[in-house]
Amino acid sequence: QTVVTQEPSLTVSPGGTVTLTCASSTGAVTSGYYPNWFQQKPGQAPRPLIYGTSNKHSWTPARFSGSLLGGKAALTLSGVQPEDEAEYYCLLNYGGAWVFGGGTKVTVL
Amino acid sequence: QVQLQESGPGRVKPSGTLSLTCDVFGDSITNTNWWSWVRQPPGKGLEWIAEIYHLDSSKYNPSLKSRVTISLDKSKNQFFLKLTSVTAADTALYYCASIGPGGEWGYWGQGMLVTVSS
Repeated sequence: QTVVTQEPSLTVSPGGTVTLTCASSTGAVTSGYYPNWFQQKPGQAPRPLIYGTSNKHSWTPARFSGSLLGGKAALTLSGVQPEDEAEYYCLLNYGGAWVFGGGTKVTVL
Repeated sequence: QVQLQESGPGRVKPSGTLSLTCDVFGDSITNTNWWSWVRQPPGKGLEWIAEIYHLDSSKYNPSLKSRVTISLDKSKNQFFLKLTSVTAADTALYYCASIGPGGEWGYWGQGMLVTVSS
């Protein structure tokens, strides 16, 4: 069974930078896994932030960026705002089947 | 503006069948998108269930495949989820979502809580 692994939790100071990663149990993540990233706040549906590794939706704030880093998909938040405190999920495609990561709880403190 | 809206019974009895509908507004279900279902048990993470394309192509989560059917109605611009033999472990918020042709997840419904309970 394929497992996608994210950091359970990360803490960042307001104005700081934090990088979340997304690893695959099958090996290095590439653009062929079509990495997507989502933000979810309590009581809300997930909000798509990034698709195709690094592409932003029209509503994605400029401080969010996606990349591949050391064999993993990565989401970097630069100039973190208090409203960025949320759960973040990555999603990878395995030849037609999608698998979500377990999520990273980002605390802004 | 594309909007998706889930509907269906909020409670299903154990061993019964969960049936949900997703209405798509502002886009045609026969365009280039795939249409998907995702669920989230209370306090837990997201799980992809299935996706469908209007040209009779569908894909399923292997762990749920034996119990899940996804389908669509082009005339009503809707797609559907059917999950059989439900147990308490199927209690979750169920979301419908759109996926663009390049694998870009876009619009999501607000989610529908389905509780499996007698």
